[in-house]
Amino acid sequence: ETGVTQTPRHLVMGMTNKKSLKCEQHLGHNAMYWYKQSAKKPLELMFVYSLEERVENNSVPSRFSPECPNSSHLFLHLHTLQPEDSALYLCASSQAPGQGGEKLFFGSGTQLSVL
Amino acid sequence: AQSVTQLGSHVSVSEGALVLLRCNYSSSVPPYLFWYVQYPNQGLQLLLKYTSAATLVKGINGFEAEFKKSETSFHLTKPSAHMSDAAEYFCAVSPGPGSARQLTFGSGTQLTVLP
Repeated sequence: ETGVTQTPRHLVMGMTNKKSLKCEQHLGHNAMYWYKQSAKKPLELMFVYSLEERVENNSVPSRFSPECPNSSHLFLHLHTLQPEDSALYLCASSQAPGQGGEKLFFGSGTQLSVL
Repeated sequence: AQSVTQLGSHVSVSEGALVLLRCNYSSSVPPYLFWYVQYPNQGLQLLLKYTSAATLVKGINGFEAEFKKSETSFHLTKPSAHMSDAAEYFCAVSPGPGSARQLTFGSGTQLTVLP
């Protein structure tokens, strides 16, 4: 089993649907991240959780709602998305600062298509 | 403030030829620099990192990169390309240790290896 697992791998949803993306890390890390990867654009950091507390929210629309119930699990709840939200959503984890915390470990991503 | 520029969104090389992927950075503090690789349908994986020690950094799969402060560059090289090297490569910069949430990624370079 890989260190960071994301489900589902693919998701197609209509603009009125509600869905959730799930991420689980088995590395004992205490920081978790959501990134958005769109074609031809740099990775965009969406949210950061450290010790289960949200420490960063990069002006992400409220139709994206993260949840971190414990240090191993991270969710991204989606509702009333727009077609421009179609992208690959990547989850990552890292150690705390001072413990190699500059290195990210990524999951394989969820390819989201909004119709 | 920090930024990364990857020159060339697509690079093609023949199998066995030298691989050179270019990255230039801008940072107001001594940077940490990274190369990540993304194989098809997978998340990003760390290839190598520079953290202010030796300027020539060796990574996995025969890749290496050299930090040149005078040129603000961190180009990625491999002496002999293999078909399995076909992937997208991302250069990234952060302001120091434990700063994964402050990573800035480049737009990526798609490497194609021709038989």
